[in-house]
Amino acid sequence: DTGVSQDPRHKITKRGQNVTFRCDPISEHNRLYWYRQTLGQGPEFLTYFQNEAQLEKSRLLSDRFSAERPKGSFSTLEIQRTEQGDSAMYLCASRGTDIWDTEAFFGQGTRLTVV
Amino acid sequence: AQSVTQLGSHVSVSEGALVLLRCNYSSSVPPYLFWYVQYPNQGLQLLLKYTTGATLVKGINGFEAEFKKSETSFHLTKPSAHMSDAAEYFCAVSGKAGTALIFGKGTTLSVSS
Repeated sequence: DTGVSQDPRHKITKRGQNVTFRCDPISEHNRLYWYRQTLGQGPEFLTYFQNEAQLEKSRLLSDRFSAERPKGSFSTLEIQRTEQGDSAMYLCASRGTDIWDTEAFFGQGTRLTVV
Repeated sequence: AQSVTQLGSHVSVSEGALVLLRCNYSSSVPPYLFWYVQYPNQGLQLLLKYTTGATLVKGINGFEAEFKKSETSFHLTKPSAHMSDAAEYFCAVSGKAGTALIFGKGTTLSVSS
């Protein structure tokens, strides 16, 4: 297993366009998280899946943002009608099933630039 | 609700000097505590974690941290800094296993020769 994989690594888009990012977690991990990180800040929690169920959403996740995890495997994060304020690094993380699986493994992130 | 405060957005040390990065947390439940490191344009890598048991935890690259419940602190230390330690460091807290990590704003560590 090569860890958490995110695609693309970089995305430049024009304001108003829609973008979609993909995250492939570690294969046996049932928990998946999305975070957003802006320059000089720590990662901010966006949303959390356990298997295919979206269990928690942050207030940061406006109605322009939607996330899915069909079949409990990979996940996608879509941003509609992008704004310049959406420019950030989007990080995905996964965690194992066991109650003792406390460590979250992070992907390398997708850097979004909205011009 | 949980939160993390990292004191000092930027810490500079000389190579070979002690590294001390401060983290205080707030949690309404027994916390799980973590330190992550991030290199430019990379994801986060776990340095160490505290869940239960021994309050002094050792991690990778010679780092260690001590959980002090009375002070609600989880400061990160390393006896002797290396140039390769220069990076961004994040302290994080979560509640029971599975809940999201809540991160501090990070501390940039610079190491000079």
